[in-house]
Amino acid sequence: GEEVAQTPKHLVRGEGQKAKLYCAPIKGHSYVFWYQQVLKNEFKFLISFQNENVFDETGMPKERFSAKCLPNSPCSLEIQATKLEDSAVYFCASSQWGPNTEAFFGQGTRLTVV
Amino acid sequence: DQQVKQNSPSLSVQEGRISILNCDYTNSMFDYFLWYKKYPAEGPTFLISISSIKDKNEDGRFTVFLNKSAKHLSLHIVPSQPGDSAVYFCAAPQGGSEKLVFGKGMKLTVNP
Repeated sequence: GEEVAQTPKHLVRGEGQKAKLYCAPIKGHSYVFWYQQVLKNEFKFLISFQNENVFDETGMPKERFSAKCLPNSPCSLEIQATKLEDSAVYFCASSQWGPNTEAFFGQGTRLTVV
Repeated sequence: DQQVKQNSPSLSVQEGRISILNCDYTNSMFDYFLWYKKYPAEGPTFLISISSIKDKNEDGRFTVFLNKSAKHLSLHIVPSQPGDSAVYFCAAPQGGSEKLVFGKGMKLTVNP
């Protein structure tokens, strides 16, 4: 498709529950990025993929966060045992050749942990 | 350690006037810069970019200026329109890792 599609738009989870977020990048784009936006403004990089391979995972809290981008499937970001501090908007972005070309962002998934 | 800084959290201008949004960076290895615009409940939208080999890039009402020696860039919007009211983010890709490093954003309000 011509836009980055993220589902669901909103997700509410009780503390300790699992959360799974999905992202369909734009067709033909090789790079996929996940960012976490807390407190409205700060974007925190989580992980990036080049095709289905992890490119950079330096931002991932590895104990509870995992992500995949498998061929012919939406990419996913999974949080095991959610904590209150995981409440944020999670944005997925894709770009054709990396961020020195523009990255297109999805609408985001708002995760609320209660 | 903030590598991209947008020191003013907000700006209010009259319709038709110029809006100037500023951004400073500390990492001299950055060689490409992007501006994104974000409306509430939407994802950031790419606006304009500039490579470090240039000092100016223009696209319609939007112009970005880069001063490498001062590690400073600015986005000029002229004339400003009420539809430009949004939060603007300055960003730069971190070389090697491809991830974008964002500033904290600046909320622009254009009053009719």
